[in-house]
Amino acid sequence: EAGVAQSPRYKIIEKRQSVAFWCNPISGHATLYWYQQILGQGPKLLIQFQNNGVVDDSQLPKDRFSAERLKGVDSTLKIQPAKLEDSAVYLCASSRDSYYGYTFGSGTRLTVV
Amino acid sequence: LAKTTQPISMDSYEGQEVNITCSHNNIATNDYITWYQQFPSQGPRFIIQGYKTKVTNEVASLFIPADRKSSTLSLPRVSLSDTAVYYCLVGPPFTGGGNKLTFGTGTQLKVEL
Repeated sequence: EAGVAQSPRYKIIEKRQSVAFWCNPISGHATLYWYQQILGQGPKLLIQFQNNGVVDDSQLPKDRFSAERLKGVDSTLKIQPAKLEDSAVYLCASSRDSYYGYTFGSGTRLTVV
Repeated sequence: LAKTTQPISMDSYEGQEVNITCSHNNIATNDYITWYQQFPSQGPRFIIQGYKTKVTNEVASLFIPADRKSSTLSLPRVSLSDTAVYYCLVGPPFTGGGNKLTFGTGTQLKVEL
């Protein structure tokens, strides 16, 4: 089966600009996750969707980050305005219906200058 | 979710067996232990999962003692391509609303010739 697709792979923006990331999960996977991974750290969950509804967004900085998952398939994560500390890799993951089947994409590396 | 403790880094040579131990003293009765592997510029990849005793697949073995307060990931005959960060995660299985994974900082394994 095809993996989790993310784009773009790399993005460089200036602080205070906005940026959006796109994720296409594995077909049939109901649960979608966005993680932020700062260099040298493990991934940190930002938001979790079940179909097109939000299950958990407790760690999402809602003053600048937003995410949506229209029609329960693709998802976009947006940052507006970006700060220097947002520089990280943004990972998307999806799962069908089990803890066992958690598949990550390759991520988008964001650099804020 | 139970907190985990694992070594920050480990070094090994090709052909050797590598054992990475993870401590999880506060593991709950219904928690499973899962290990992920992450290469540079890629998302984490599932390696193995277990609840008790020993689990083996084509990639690794997972040893879990009776008290389940620790676990050991065993990689037989490592090669240069096993150089990666290895994460130990502990948590309950899927319960219907999706299950978020909480990552620590992981163990950086470096394999040399």
